[in-house]
Amino acid sequence: GDSVTQMEGPVTLSEEAFLTINCTYTATGYPSLFWYVQYPGEGLQLLLKATKADDKGSNKGFEATYRKETTSFHLEKGSVQVSDSAVYFCALSDLETSGSRLTFGEGTQLTVNP
Amino acid sequence: EAGVTQFPSHSVIEKGQTVTLRCDPISGHDNLYWYRRVMGKEIKFLLHFVKESKQDESGMPNNRFLAERTGGTYSTLKVQPAELEDSGVYFCASSQAHSRYTEAFFGQGTRLTVV
Repeated sequence: GDSVTQMEGPVTLSEEAFLTINCTYTATGYPSLFWYVQYPGEGLQLLLKATKADDKGSNKGFEATYRKETTSFHLEKGSVQVSDSAVYFCALSDLETSGSRLTFGEGTQLTVNP
Repeated sequence: EAGVTQFPSHSVIEKGQTVTLRCDPISGHDNLYWYRRVMGKEIKFLLHFVKESKQDESGMPNNRFLAERTGGTYSTLKVQPAELEDSGVYFCASSQAHSRYTEAFFGQGTRLTVV
């Protein structure tokens, strides 16, 4: 079945540091890939997405590129802020094999210190 | 426009009791999903409604869980009787279409603690 593997957390960085959160996936079909974020006390929000190979999703300074050859969708940001502290989830949907439901990774807790 | 709303935000119940969680999707969204995150692990799919019909309930853990979506509007998820391992955060999500470009909108979740 489909699965998503995220780098183990938690991750603690200083403000303005470079962020990478690794995400790899296994899918039977040709999935769409997503990063969701959960800020403290809030629900999940879509951060960015990519629907085909080599697409780059971007939002709020975050980027991730759909790499079919390495089955990866790593999240990056050049300079993190304290307000980026949250839990980040990598996810996929594989319409052909499992419909529109999302398969998530375990989440990565990011803490950014001033 | 109102987002996805879940009630209650927190619930603490004793083992063996019954709890009902409610989800109000975004108006006009035919697709409604329930997910659960247990013990800080991955968020797992429970089931998917299209309007009032269960499209996929393959993620429901056992027959103590019952989901309904009356009239294709709001949905309830009942756990009866609750067990300790049911503790976790239950998320509801809704979406309008059924395609690889569709975004699912999530509620804030209900944190369920079974003691």
